[in-house]
Amino acid sequence: GQQLNQSPQSMFIQEGEDVSMNCTSSSIFNTWLWYKQDPGEGPVLLIALYKAGELTSNGRLTAQFGITRKDSFLNISASIPSDVGIYFCAGRVSGTYKYIFGTGTRLKVLA
Amino acid sequence: DAGITQSPRHKVTETGTPVTLRCHQTENHRYMYWYRQDPGHGLRLIHYSYGVKDTDKGEVSDGYSVSRSKTEDFLLTLESATSSQTSVYFCAIGTAGRAYEQYFGPGTRLTVT
Repeated sequence: GQQLNQSPQSMFIQEGEDVSMNCTSSSIFNTWLWYKQDPGEGPVLLIALYKAGELTSNGRLTAQFGITRKDSFLNISASIPSDVGIYFCAGRVSGTYKYIFGTGTRLKVLA
Repeated sequence: DAGITQSPRHKVTETGTPVTLRCHQTENHRYMYWYRQDPGHGLRLIHYSYGVKDTDKGEVSDGYSVSRSKTEDFLLTLESATSSQTSVYFCAIGTAGRAYEQYFGPGTRLTVT
């Protein structure tokens, strides 16, 4: 089946540092979504991307829809302790209303 | 907040027993989904619904069935629970907007002993 490779799997960073993570696939997607999940809770939608090359920001978060439509990137600037959590990407299967999810990037911020 | 609730939030059951998880939404969304989340696997689609009485299988549907008799409720049933079905189960709704963006409920942690 279709898979999304998300990297890195986990990362430790110092408060104030910028963070970058990405998702890649062998398949083309029409939409990319980025989520954050806190322990014991459901994923929360952060950013949605709708076309190749699109760059969208939400506060300190910036995400990009890759030109090839097979990848997407998420950047977090000036990280703070509450950025801790697991970040998931999701790509929408062409012609459907189903999404494939990456395995997540676990972010830990050291104060 | 997409108005999604899941019940129960936690359940422990024995192997071989049937289990039903409920997802309830208050905003009349057409699309609803059930996922399971396991370490190392991310979120995997079990079943989904595109309307009342309209459902289809996802990638990990074996051992699960669903029903949707009302727009607001989507039920997931484990016919005969097995230890491999120990997981966290999430319900999601898909919006009718630009790209069926999905919003998730709080999850149900199920343990099968």
